Amino acid sequence: SAVISQKPSRDICQRGTSLTIQCQVDSQVTMMFWYRQQPGQSLTLIATANQGSEATYESGFVIDKFPISRPNLTFSTLTVSNMSPEDSSIYLCSVRDRSMNTGELFFGEGSRLTVL
Amino acid sequence: GNSVTQMEGPVTLSEEAFLTINCTYTATGYPSLFWYVQYPGEGLQLLLKATKADDKGSNKGFEATYRKETTSFHLEKGSVQVSDSAVYFCALSRSGGSNYKLTFGKGTLLTVNP
Repeated sequence: SAVISQKPSRDICQRGTSLTIQCQVDSQVTMMFWYRQQPGQSLTLIATANQGSEATYESGFVIDKFPISRPNLTFSTLTVSNMSPEDSSIYLCSVRDRSMNTGELFFGEGSRLTVL
Repeated sequence: GNSVTQMEGPVTLSEEAFLTINCTYTATGYPSLFWYVQYPGEGLQLLLKATKADDKGSNKGFEATYRKETTSFHLEKGSVQVSDSAVYFCALSRSGGSNYKLTFGKGTLLTVNP
């Protein structure tokens, strides 16, 4: 298993500002994933962050709104840019267990953002 | 494409009641199936998994059997506790290859009263 730490755990932000969420993993991983969980909804994949290359974004998500960095195999950041109240969500970082070829993911505790 | 349909909540039970949360899926190939649990204020934790047809995943008294013929992976527990109150997510991933994206159901909120 992997231990994943996210910062901040929660924040209240003003409309129009940007916030960067950090994700630190206790082991080296190839792929890191960023999910969004809007209030009362399921999880939606935003993008896959690979070390040494640009992130791959899912339909409906763009780099200008959600820039991602992946400077090494244990760390990634997700920035939520020019925030609006619709961006109020829990943002979760996750990684795959490299020892298992089953697609199982481990998740951080999430960063709960409220945009006023 | 892949999709997961979960029983709508919320579900409210008394302690020691029997729990079933239905989950059906649509997928190409042979996906792996998961149940994740999210306790209040926390991130997601893997509860159990099954990687091939007829596999039974189990953990903490919860069970789910991978039924290919009915494309289902229903979660069951014989006697729930107050501490089981949480949101439960059914999920699938395509097995093998390099695509490890999970597709989640909408989640089912379970509340267990003493």
